[in-house]
Amino acid sequence: QKEVEQNSGPLSVPEGAIASLNCTYSDRGSQSFFWYRQYSGKSPELIMFIYSNGDKEDGRFTAQLNKASQYVSLLIRDSQPSDSATYLCAYTGANSKLTFGKGITLSVRP
Amino acid sequence: DVKVTQSSRYLVKRTGEKVFLECVQDMDHENMFWYRQDPGLGLRLIYFSYDVKMKEKGDIPEGYSVSREKKERFSLILESASTNQTSMYLCASSLAGGTGELFFGEGSRLTVL
Repeated sequence: QKEVEQNSGPLSVPEGAIASLNCTYSDRGSQSFFWYRQYSGKSPELIMFIYSNGDKEDGRFTAQLNKASQYVSLLIRDSQPSDSATYLCAYTGANSKLTFGKGITLSVRP
Repeated sequence: DVKVTQSSRYLVKRTGEKVFLECVQDMDHENMFWYRQDPGLGLRLIYFSYDVKMKEKGDIPEGYSVSREKKERFSLILESASTNQTSMYLCASSLAGGTGELFFGEGSRLTVL
C-alpha cells in the first residue's frame, strides 16, 4: 500500500516564527510532490510543487525534497495568522494519480 | 479563471436512495477525479478518469460508480446510499501532461440518514 505520512499535529507556532511541516512517502516511484493548503470549510489549493531533489523557494514558502530519504517538507517563514490552515502533502506516481496524506493543521498565534 | 463546479453544496438523502453528484469543469482538462474527505482520514480517491467514457477505480470505489459521457462532466453515483457514505465529496480536474496540479470544486456535503 503506497502511503503518505505527515508528522502528527496540530502544530502551533507564534506569529513571525518558522513553521516546519514534514511528510514521508513509501512509493520510490513517486515523481512529483505537492503541498496543498486547505482553509476550514474550503477546498484544497496548491501552494507548492517540487520535482527535483533540493529546495524550491516561493516567497515565504520553501519546499524541500529528498528522494533518497523519501521525505518532503514545507517551511513557512515569518508565519502569519492567515497561514492557519490544514496542509496536505501529496505525490503522483507514473499514472498521474495524486495520493494525499491526512494533513496537518497549523495554527499561527498572533 | 479556472473553474470546477459541483452541482450541489449540501444534500440530505435517505438510506437506499440513488444519489447523483455532478461535476463540470471549464478548463478542457482531460483528467477528472472524485475524492471523499473525512476527519482523520484525509482525502481518499474514489474514481478517476483520463478521458471520455474512461474510468479507473481509486482506493475506495466500493458502493460508487461514475460516468463520463462528455469531457467536461464527471458524475459520481451512489446506487444505494448508506449512512457510512455521509461525507464531503470533492471533484477535481487536471491537465494531462501538466504539472499534476489538481483544481478542486467547492465540495458537496452529503448526509445520509
